[in-house]
This record gives sequence, C-alpha cells and structure tokens, in this order.
Amino acid sequence: GAVVSQHPSRVICKSGTSVKIECRSLDFQATTMFWYRQFPKQSLMLMATSNEGSKATYEQGVEKDKFLINHASLTLSTLTVTSAHPEDSSFYICSATGTGGINEQFFGPGTRLTVL
Amino acid sequence: QKEVEQDPGPLSVPEGAIVSLNCTYSNSAFQYFMWYRQYSRKGPELLMYTYSSGNKEDGRFTAQVDKSSKYISLFIRDSQPSDSATYLCAMRGSARQLTFGSGTQLTVLP
Repeated sequence: GAVVSQHPSRVICKSGTSVKIECRSLDFQATTMFWYRQFPKQSLMLMATSNEGSKATYEQGVEKDKFLINHASLTLSTLTVTSAHPEDSSFYICSATGTGGINEQFFGPGTRLTVL
Repeated sequence: QKEVEQDPGPLSVPEGAIVSLNCTYSNSAFQYFMWYRQYSRKGPELLMYTYSSGNKEDGRFTAQVDKSSKYISLFIRDSQPSDSATYLCAMRGSARQLTFGSGTQLTVLP
C-alpha cells in the first residue's frame, strides 16, 4: 500500500513556541491531504483539508491562524502550530489521497505534541 | 446525535474467538465504508473497504454493510493477540472527508 510519513514523531516544546509537523507521501502523488488531531482514547477529529497549491479548508471551530497548513507540493504538506499552549498537546495525524480509484486515505504514523 | 455511533468497548476475547465489531450511522449520503485498525500511538491502517451492501471477505476479516439498516460490521475469525488494537469504522459520501466512529478497543487474550 501507499506510504505516508510524518516528522517528527514526537515533539516537546515550551508554551508560546511554534512547532512545524511535516507530512509526506513517499510513493504517490497526494492531491489532497487531511490533518486530524486525536485525544487519548478518542477518535480522530478532522481539522482541515488541503489541496495542493490552494488554501486549506478548515473545519468549524479550528483556528486557521493558529494551525497553519501549507500544501506546496504533491508530496508534502506541513502543519504549523503557532504559539502553542498546553491545551494544544495532542496526537496529530495526517492522511493523503491520490487521484482516481476509490480515493482511500492513507495515514501517517502520527506526531505526538506535548506543550509544557 | 453523532453521525456515526460505535461502542467504545473495551472488548476482551480469548484467542481464537470470533470478534464482531459494529457501527451505526444516520447519514443516508454515506456510500463508502471503511474499517481501520490503530495500534497504540500509531496512525490508522486501512483494513477493509466496501461500497455496496453485502459482505466482503479478506483472510480472517469480513466486512458487512447493510445500507437499509444503516449498520456495518467487521468480523474477525480466529482472533490473535496481534489483533489487539483499536478498530475504527469510517465512512464518507461523495466528498473525500471521512467521518469516524469513536473506535472500539479490542484485547485478544492468549
């Protein structure tokens, strides 16, 4: 199956700093990438949908100025958590879909963010 | 009411048992149905994908969809300790965005 990677896998930062998370599709071109966050023992909550070369579409309640998403190429999307606070601590997961077919989403391994 | 309801468990079964996992949904626009497996602190892995009502089998896994009842199931035969994980149902309509169930935590005891 298609492979999606995320970097870093884990990050610890101080409150007020910004953190960038990368999501890469390694063996296919991802026209659409999705960003989710997941709290312990809860399901995935979609944060935003990004299409290559265009602005991301954010879900209701997600602050676009706080969670900056860039999808500059067909294999890379980035999520930047700006001025992170402890309540932003979570597991962030990206997924990617290619073109045609059933458009199934392939998920990255996730990034655990801890804000002190 | 959530669009997708899934019993969170936890569910514990002995090795070799048949496991039944279920989701119900309310949105008639959902056309595509998936089951994902997620190990602790890992991203979800697609297990099964179905489009129409009926059964789809892949090895020890069988996915079942009943659109008239808005009910989907995943059966795991001859369950193994390595099947211990959280199982998430997910579904979508014509758009690409998935709606997930809350996940069922499964433990298969050796």
